[in-house]
Amino acid sequence: AQSVAQPEDQVNVAEGNPLTVKCTYSVSGNPYLFWYVQYPNRGLQFLLKYITGDNLVKGSYGFEAEFNKSQTSFHLKKPSALVSDSALYFCAVRDRSYGNNRLAFGKGNQVVVIP
Amino acid sequence: GAVVSQHPSRVICKSGTSVKIECRSLDFQATTMFWYRQFPKQSLMLMATSNEGSKATYEQGVEKDKFLINHASLTLSTLTVTSAHPEDSSFYICSARGGGVTDTQYFGPGTRLTVL
Repeated sequence: AQSVAQPEDQVNVAEGNPLTVKCTYSVSGNPYLFWYVQYPNRGLQFLLKYITGDNLVKGSYGFEAEFNKSQTSFHLKKPSALVSDSALYFCAVRDRSYGNNRLAFGKGNQVVVIP
Repeated sequence: GAVVSQHPSRVICKSGTSVKIECRSLDFQATTMFWYRQFPKQSLMLMATSNEGSKATYEQGVEKDKFLINHASLTLSTLTVTSAHPEDSSFYICSARGGGVTDTQYFGPGTRLTVL
């Protein structure tokens, strides 16, 4: 079984402040982890992924995420938030089990960056 | 990054008609394609997974005769909503992935279906 928890419904942050969006996961084996962003009435845009190697992953638009196996977390971070970062963010996991095709998504976090 | 297109972006139809949505991977070969449905302010619900040339695998509770999926080539999948009803109104998003197990799933821009 695989699942993702995004505990906060909405994250409010002032422009220029650090942004953190939390994600924890549960898998039977080892995970592939992803972050996506969705703007209103649009599909999901890929931000970054963790497959293997360095725990700190850098992605698009200045975002990064840190894989923490002991805490089963993959929090998304950005050092200085922009108003244009206001959107819906989804964390996703895919268990590396053989033949597993599916991504499990979290419920999503609405990020609001206040000017 | 890889690009997935969807057409149409919006469609309004009368109850009882059928609607076809196309999903194309523009710059990579998609061995696996996915169809999702999303309700307002909610996460994505996987409807079905398809591999090129094979029958789609539907998730529990999704009617395969109502939501017909054809993955005819490595760059094209279609979803046909047959005999649409107002409760089928939703945002439908396709996604595509290349062959590798570490490959990223890329998403189309979505199709807003409204059934009157």
